[in-house]
Amino acid sequence: AQSVTQLGSHVSVSEGALVLLRCNYSSSVPPYLFWYVQYPNQGLQLLLKYTSAATLVKGINGFEAEFKKSETSFHLTKPSAHMSDAAEYFCAVTLRGTGANNLFFGTGTRLTVIP
Amino acid sequence: EAGVVQSPRYKIIEKKQPVAFWCNPISGHNTLYWYRQNLGQGPELLIRYENEEAVDDSQLPKDRFSAERLKGVDSTLKIQPAELGDSAVYLCASSFWTSGRDTQYFGPGTRLTVL
Repeated sequence: AQSVTQLGSHVSVSEGALVLLRCNYSSSVPPYLFWYVQYPNQGLQLLLKYTSAATLVKGINGFEAEFKKSETSFHLTKPSAHMSDAAEYFCAVTLRGTGANNLFFGTGTRLTVIP
Repeated sequence: EAGVVQSPRYKIIEKKQPVAFWCNPISGHNTLYWYRQNLGQGPELLIRYENEEAVDDSQLPKDRFSAERLKGVDSTLKIQPAELGDSAVYLCASSFWTSGRDTQYFGPGTRLTVL
């Protein structure tokens, strides 16, 4: 079975501070990992994804994430938070080589940016 | 290029009434997904289509939910009869599936409220 765990349902940071959103995965085979962002009343938008190339993945809006197999983690970071980063962030996993592309999502982390 | 289109955006019905949601995927995408997102949770897959074929409907409550994707393009998800617990956001996504690493593009969702 595969799953992701997002530690912290709510994270607050000051504008300009480091953003760190945590995601740990569980998978019986090598995974593909994704971070999506959801703004209020909108669908999910892909921030970045890990598909077994470089372990440090850069995404849109200045976000990046590092795949660490030894820690089974895929944490999302951004050096300096902007007010526009306030949203819900979801980590998701799917499995390589299974012939399926079903995403399994975490429960989400709501990011608040304090002016 | 147009994104995934869903309608209606909002729907309020009384329990035991039927309801239907419509999705038009991105042009050329052969794979279509329906997810349900309960309040405060990540999306959960209901059904996945590859072209016209439902290849994974294991999480679809078949006693009251049905879906179709005629001609392998747009899709309809139906609930009959609706229950209070069906209140959620129903998200449609599409991708051009090749290997499992593909990006899924999400529509804005339909927010269903069952009274």
